Amino acid sequence: SQKIEQNSEALNIQEGKTATLTCNYTNYSPAYLQWYRQDPGRGPVFLLLIRENEKEKRKERLKVTFDTTLKQSLFHITASQPADSATYLCALDRQAGTALIFGKGTTLSVSS
Amino acid sequence: DAGVTQSPTHLIKTRGQQVTLRCSPKSGHDTVSWYQQALGQGPQFIFQYYEEEERQRGNFPDRFSGHQFPNYSSELNVNALLLGDSALYLCASSLGRHSGELFFGEGSRLTVL
Repeated sequence: SQKIEQNSEALNIQEGKTATLTCNYTNYSPAYLQWYRQDPGRGPVFLLLIRENEKEKRKERLKVTFDTTLKQSLFHITASQPADSATYLCALDRQAGTALIFGKGTTLSVSS
Repeated sequence: DAGVTQSPTHLIKTRGQQVTLRCSPKSGHDTVSWYQQALGQGPQFIFQYYEEEERQRGNFPDRFSGHQFPNYSSELNVNALLLGDSALYLCASSLGRHSGELFFGEGSRLTVL
């Protein structure tokens, strides 16, 4: 069956460290993969999109990698801050314009 | 520039009732998708509307229906409510059906008693 899994439900790190979140999928061949941030009681906010032919994408302190052989995406937040504390959702799209399929999310807590 | 707006923000219904949720997309966007997010879960796709027609549908029963108006706003209707329908209902808009990035509203929190 098709599955999308995020490595852990919760990740606790210290301020200034790099947070690394993992998204694994099986039985999909996504055209692209996206990462969203969601704060409690709020809607998800788009962060980054990476296409199947891209290996890496960066935006300020964020970096996403996409390995279609391993069927895995890694999401990194460098120099993490308490304000980065939130739930991060991985989502994939089998082809542009189809419905996004979301993972359950990883809740990141950054302590000062 | 107004983002995606949803109403109501919270509502409580009882089993068997019907509910209508509303969504106005981000200015300039013409495609609206609806997602259901249960507590502790990721959003699950319900359906997508484009040019006033349902273009795609997720694995949800016919009790879930929708509509898109000429101004691109949309409604989600749920009939014969069940306890399991309690969730955060998210509306997301995009420019065109083949856009990647989705813009989400803050959601409508539905509680079914």
